[in-house]
Amino acid sequence: KQEVTQIPAALSVPEGENLVLNCSFTDSAIYNLQWFRQDPGKGLTSLLLIQSSQREQTSGRLNASLDKSSGRSTLYIAASQPGDSATYLCAVKVFNAGGTSYGKLTFGQGTILTVHP
Amino acid sequence: SQTIHQWPATLVQPVGSPLSLECTVEGTSNPNLYWYRQAAGRGLQLLFYSVGIGQISSEVPQNLSASRPQDRQFILSSKKLLLSDSGFYLCAWSTYSLGEYNEQFFGPGTRLTVL
Repeated sequence: KQEVTQIPAALSVPEGENLVLNCSFTDSAIYNLQWFRQDPGKGLTSLLLIQSSQREQTSGRLNASLDKSSGRSTLYIAASQPGDSATYLCAVKVFNAGGTSYGKLTFGQGTILTVHP
Repeated sequence: SQTIHQWPATLVQPVGSPLSLECTVEGTSNPNLYWYRQAAGRGLQLLFYSVGIGQISSEVPQNLSASRPQDRQFILSSKKLLLSDSGFYLCAWSTYSLGEYNEQFFGPGTRLTVL
């Protein structure tokens, strides 16, 4: 059974710092990995999608890497801003027991990020 | 562009009452549709997914059911709510092309409180 772990559970940094959020998964047989952002009481916003054949993806100040063999992904946020404060979720798209996939995601518990001015 | 709607946004229901949550997607056809629940301290859990009209798969045994009466409509229901059904319910969609299930997009969610 695929398990996804995110470290740290919470992170508080001053504005302007570069930071790294970590995600690890137990089964390397994944289709892809997706990073999301969730603001309190809101739905999830997709940040980056990394296909299993890719090593990294970039969008603006965000960079996500994927190392399937070690079961790890990192989300790098450059020059953090107070508006980046949110919960960041990592999710892997998995196979079902029959070896196929219906696009199901397995989520980590998230990292609560606070960027203070 | 594609959008996903959920309603109601919030709901407070007594134990034993019925439930109907609705999700609709605009701007795409034949999406895969998903219902997730986010309970405090338990993360996001996939409840149901659907690859087409009338095709529903359940991930976990529970007090809930799902239906897909139209291509872009997904409904989550219960005949009698339990206290444990409280949570934040999220609907999501994705497309499937070239042998890959693509990026998944989420709706704004419904906050359900069962008293």
